[in-house]
Amino acid sequence: GIQVEQSPPDLILQEGANSTLRCNFSDSVNNLQWFHQNPWGQLINLFYIPSGTKQNGRLSATTVATERYSLLYISSSQTTDSGVYFCAGRMIKAAGNKLTFGGGTRVLVKP
Amino acid sequence: DAMVIQNPRYQVTQFGKPVTLSCSQTLNHNVMYWYQQKSSQAPKLLFHYYDKDFNNEADTPDNFQSRRPNTSFCFLDIRSPGLGDAAMYLCATSASGGQLVAKNIQYFGAGTRLSVL
Repeated sequence: GIQVEQSPPDLILQEGANSTLRCNFSDSVNNLQWFHQNPWGQLINLFYIPSGTKQNGRLSATTVATERYSLLYISSSQTTDSGVYFCAGRMIKAAGNKLTFGGGTRVLVKP
Repeated sequence: DAMVIQNPRYQVTQFGKPVTLSCSQTLNHNVMYWYQQKSSQAPKLLFHYYDKDFNNEADTPDNFQSRRPNTSFCFLDIRSPGLGDAAMYLCATSASGGQLVAKNIQYFGAGTRLSVL
């Protein structure tokens, strides 16, 4: 199966700082999604971004499908941005609907 | 609002005592998934239903079973929970096949945190 690597594994930010999270895939994927898992465990959809760039408020994401990576940008971070960020993708060659998750980036935003 | 609902949010069971977790959805999605997530790990797919077709992951233990009586509901049955089955269980849905908008985007419920005593 595909390998999904996220970096960095941990990130500590001062409130107001900007940051970039990265997701690398070992094979071509589609249905690429970014999630934020809040402290209560719920996975919140941030972006569905198989290619290109999208923005939603202080968050934006860019996927370069040909180079098998995706980036998540957090600008002007707030304490509510704390949690774990996961990327996940479905391998183009695979049958079915399985999403493979990266190991996550644990973000702590300090006031 | 259309959503994915999991009940209960917290479940405590005894070692070896069968337990059932439930998931319902108002999104009218034809695919439903069950994931297991252990502490500090990524979610791991256990199985999914594509309409009524059950698709088991190769490494999902036989101890885990699932039922989908209709489009809206899906259940996860753990026949004999062990201490290693303590985890967060996440249900997700997606629209696939002939359905249009938001194809294959997975939407997650809030999860059920299972403790095994």
